[in-house]
Amino acid sequence: DVKVTQSSRYLVKRTGEKVFLECVQDMDHENMFWYRQDPGLGLRLIYFSYDVKMKEKGDIPEGYSVSREKKERFSLILESASTNQTSMYLCASRRAGGDSETQYFGPGTRLLVL
Amino acid sequence: SQQGEEDPQALSIQEGENATMNCSYKTSINNLQWYRQNSGRGLVHLILIRSNEREKHSGRLRVTLDTSKKSSSLLITASRAADTASYFCATKVRGGSNYKLTFGKGTLLTVNP
Repeated sequence: DVKVTQSSRYLVKRTGEKVFLECVQDMDHENMFWYRQDPGLGLRLIYFSYDVKMKEKGDIPEGYSVSREKKERFSLILESASTNQTSMYLCASRRAGGDSETQYFGPGTRLLVL
Repeated sequence: SQQGEEDPQALSIQEGENATMNCSYKTSINNLQWYRQNSGRGLVHLILIRSNEREKHSGRLRVTLDTSKKSSSLLITASRAADTASYFCATKVRGGSNYKLTFGKGTLLTVNP
């Protein structure tokens, strides 16, 4: 059974803190993604990675950075958390190319920045 | 940028009824996918339809695609309370093997027992 796990379901941080959100997949997928989901705005892509040590900006990368040192792990970093980064964060992974185009999502991390 | 837009934003029906959700998109696509999200959880893939297909079935799900109108519909037949969730369409714009999906804002479906 395929699995994408996220380090925390709920997280409360203070403004200015450095925040790490971790995502691990056990499917040997090349592609990994970070989204944020806000009411009325749907899912918006923050960053994605096609392979180890490779990253590309999504639609809303400002205020975020990412790290992909190992194939199975994709980390989202909030360098200095702000209240407007309070959101639901979803990680996803997908095999590259071919017909295996299903994207698998983790359960999400609900982040509150005070 | 938002590629897919679901309609309606919210839908409330009785158990046993059919539910239809629509998705419109702006640019040519390679395929279109539908995902479901139960409250506070991650998204789960339901079905994929390719640009050269017009209709696809999976259990109680029926998806249609009209590329001339740039629209798709998801029909859930004989709905159950457990179908209560948000439903998202996602589009893959024509491109290589490494690509990103663009998700709509979703339709919130409530199935009343």
